[in-house]
Amino acid sequence: GAGVSQSPSNKVTEKGKDVELRCDPISGHTALYWYRQRLGQGLEFLIYFQGNSAPDKSGLPSDRFSAERTGESVSTLTIQRTQQEDSAVYLCASSLVLDRQETQYFGPGTRLLVL
Amino acid sequence: QKEVEQDPGPLSVPEGAIVSLNCTYSNSAFQYFMWYRQYSRKGPELLMYTYSSGNKEDGRFTAQVDKSSKYISLFIRDSQPSDSATYLCATSHQAGTALIFGKGTTLSVSS
Repeated sequence: GAGVSQSPSNKVTEKGKDVELRCDPISGHTALYWYRQRLGQGLEFLIYFQGNSAPDKSGLPSDRFSAERTGESVSTLTIQRTQQEDSAVYLCASSLVLDRQETQYFGPGTRLLVL
Repeated sequence: QKEVEQDPGPLSVPEGAIVSLNCTYSNSAFQYFMWYRQYSRKGPELLMYTYSSGNKEDGRFTAQVDKSSKYISLFIRDSQPSDSATYLCATSHQAGTALIFGKGTTLSVSS
């Protein structure tokens, strides 16, 4: 594919349910990031995967949030027992670091609404 | 104090105007500076990428970084209605780390 893809594009769920969001990065990109964008706010970092290294989970807001990545391909972000404050756009980005430079390419996001 | 501050606007200008968008940051360790453009209901797309201080020009867009004052600017010349979007500044201290974003400035260019 030409760019980062995410699914679903929209998700409406009830408070307390679990949701799973998917990200397909650009082929060959070793790094993958998840960010959250709340209404009227900038992007907040959630988690970062780089190759086979242990992920940087320092941005996850609570233990209800988790993410996995299989090798250098698909990643899934799981939110357990969703709360209304989890409503946001969840953005995935992939990148390749070359010569100390890195460009993060973003997907279109998944819009999550928790009722 | 947030690490990156950005006036959310909105900013409205007529077509052809010069637009100035700005951010300030607090961490002197930041080395990489970016401007992203985000259209409604789309993901951010990279506009400009600058390492350390200085200016960078690409067509109608010019990015400036002044590390001494911790100030980042994006100038848009001859603005077009298609420039109407939210502009996000972002920074990081090294490649391969999470970006720190401003809240974004919403720009509207009227024809």
